Amino acid sequence: GENVEQHPSTLSVQEGDSAVIKCTYSDSASNYFPWYKQELGKGPQLIIDIRSNVGEKKDQRIAVTLNKTAKHFSLHITETQPEDSAVYFCAAKWGWGKLQFGAGTQVVVTP
Amino acid sequence: DVKVTQSSRYLVKRTGEKVFLECVQDMDHENMFWYRQDPGLGLRLIYFSYDVKMKEKGDIPEGYSVSREKKERFSLILESASTNQTSMYLCASSFDRGTTEAFFGQGTRLTVV
Repeated sequence: GENVEQHPSTLSVQEGDSAVIKCTYSDSASNYFPWYKQELGKGPQLIIDIRSNVGEKKDQRIAVTLNKTAKHFSLHITETQPEDSAVYFCAAKWGWGKLQFGAGTQVVVTP
Repeated sequence: DVKVTQSSRYLVKRTGEKVFLECVQDMDHENMFWYRQDPGLGLRLIYFSYDVKMKEKGDIPEGYSVSREKKERFSLILESASTNQTSMYLCASSFDRGTTEAFFGQGTRLTVV
């Protein structure tokens, strides 16, 4: 089955700097790669996703890149703000398969 | 807005008790899921259901069962709670089995003593 590895497990950044989280996946059939943000005391919420026919997608300060050959995808957050502090999860799935999550990255944005 | 509601935020149960975690979604979604969240392990799928009365095992189904009698409601059952089932439990739903967004509830923190 699919295996998703996520790095780093914790990330501390200064406000205004960029943050990058990287994930690798094992199943070359995976074609959908969402990113979820979990704030304290809440359930995860989708922030951006990318499909395998696209190499990059941006939404304001967040962007995701996908390298199908290397089987890895990354989340980029620019101009970080305190409200970006949260746990971020990457995930991968193919078609009707199961959504497989990474272990999560705790992002702390310090003023 | 899609709403996925879990019946309890916090639960404390004794070892050996039968525990029911309830989840309701209000968007007529076909798929519903139960995940377990533990530090350093991410979200692990326990069971999912793609239709009423249908269920499939996820990655860690041992010690759990589920029930889906109505489309909007998906229950997770711990037949005999054990201390290693102390965890955060998250329910989610999605429109279909394809590549559509999963919406999560707020989670139930279960402690088994």
